[in-house]
Amino acid sequence: DAGITQSPRHKVTETGTPVTLRCHQTENHRYMYWYRQDPGHGLRLIHYSYGVKDTDKGEVSDGYSVSRSKTEDFLLTLESATSSQTSVYFCAISDGEGVETQYFGPGTRLLVL
Amino acid sequence: TQLLEQSPQFLSIQEGENLTVYCNSSSVFSSLQWYRQEPGEGPVLLVTVVTGGEVKKLKRLTFQFGDARKDSSLHITAAQPGDTGLYLCAGLMDTGRRALTFGSGTRLQVQP
Repeated sequence: DAGITQSPRHKVTETGTPVTLRCHQTENHRYMYWYRQDPGHGLRLIHYSYGVKDTDKGEVSDGYSVSRSKTEDFLLTLESATSSQTSVYFCAISDGEGVETQYFGPGTRLLVL
Repeated sequence: TQLLEQSPQFLSIQEGENLTVYCNSSSVFSSLQWYRQEPGEGPVLLVTVVTGGEVKKLKRLTFQFGDARKDSSLHITAAQPGDTGLYLCAGLMDTGRRALTFGSGTRLQVQP
């Protein structure tokens, strides 16, 4: 299994509070991704990173920001959480070589009350 | 509107039956992948197809990429309870962005 961890694995927070989710990899892969998964929507890309300090928006980036100051860590921040951000969040990594293959972390289940 | 449409959304069958899951789009993809996800875990890659018309087999699973690279199918022969899970197709568009587009998924339940 690819070395990807996510923390926390579960979080309950209140509307309006800031929340930061962490993704850590030990594979030295160049690309890192944040997705959210909701019933009926599959996985939707929030943001991704193609190198340290290099990030780009995905299809559902509103209300989210990201940072990548080291190769191994990719942080997802909800500046002011809303109930619509209740979801399961997955981090993924890829080496960006050849055919795209993404390896996923175990997910973070976030509940915004 | 989902760029990749999967059908059916849900499928409940008996052990030993065959099934096919479809993944369709009006867009062309440079490659298409199928993932399987079990409850409480992240998706795991099953296969990648890159050539129009390509067929790949993985034991009882057969994957096909459409000739025009806009669609794909997953066929399972003699389904087993261990095949139960969420099946996701994902496509990579030839835009230079290494970002996958996922379908909405097919939830398969195989009853013993």
